[in-house]
Amino acid sequence: EVQLMQSGTEVKKPGESLTISCKGSGYSFTDYSIGWVRQMPGKGLEWMGIIYPGDSDTRYSPSFQGQVTISADTSISTAYLQWSSLKASNTAMYYCAKSRGPASDAFDIWGQGTLVIVSS
Amino acid sequence: SSELTQDPVVSVALGQTVRITCQGASLRTYYANWYQQKPGQAPVLVIYGKNYRPSGIPDRFSGSSSGDTGSLTITGAQAEDEGDYYCNSRTGSGNFPFVFGGGTKLTVL
Repeated sequence: EVQLMQSGTEVKKPGESLTISCKGSGYSFTDYSIGWVRQMPGKGLEWMGIIYPGDSDTRYSPSFQGQVTISADTSISTAYLQWSSLKASNTAMYYCAKSRGPASDAFDIWGQGTLVIVSS
Repeated sequence: SSELTQDPVVSVALGQTVRITCQGASLRTYYANWYQQKPGQAPVLVIYGKNYRPSGIPDRFSGSSSGDTGSLTITGAQAEDEGDYYCNSRTGSGNFPFVFGGGTKLTVL
């Protein structure tokens, strides 16, 4: 079964750093893109960025460029989303999603989501 | 423009047909993909490309395209179809390739 398993809920203080993860299984991790999507409370889906683990090519949505870092470790089939200094406005649910094909714009498998709460 | 516009709220009577639309300039070139999201759950891909359903998606879901508008049609809406629906497609410009629509909340009456 193709799955993406995300790390658990995080409760952090403003200014702290954070890395959340997304582990793929049941497919060739290097052959499909992984996208990261933010969903703020009661709001819609927003693309943050995507990475193609096969060559580590990474693209960021303009709204998130410079705000987060996306990476992947192909040896353990895991993608990461990283913040160096969290803000309260980073409180949201974060999803990773797998593309249907190497260059597909449809994302067919989603992780269960990681809730990030940033509060002093 | 890289934006995709959806009606915020749509309702349908149980068993009737409903169309959810997604409008944007990039849809003149690219198809819209459609995701269903129920409260507290991750999104699920229901339609991709011209009109393809992933395995397990009921055939009452279908997709179509005309001009700058993509549509998701549910023929014979069921109570379990209630939820939020999002379109996504390529932007066709800029460094980042993808964009979501703002989402449509579907209520089944």
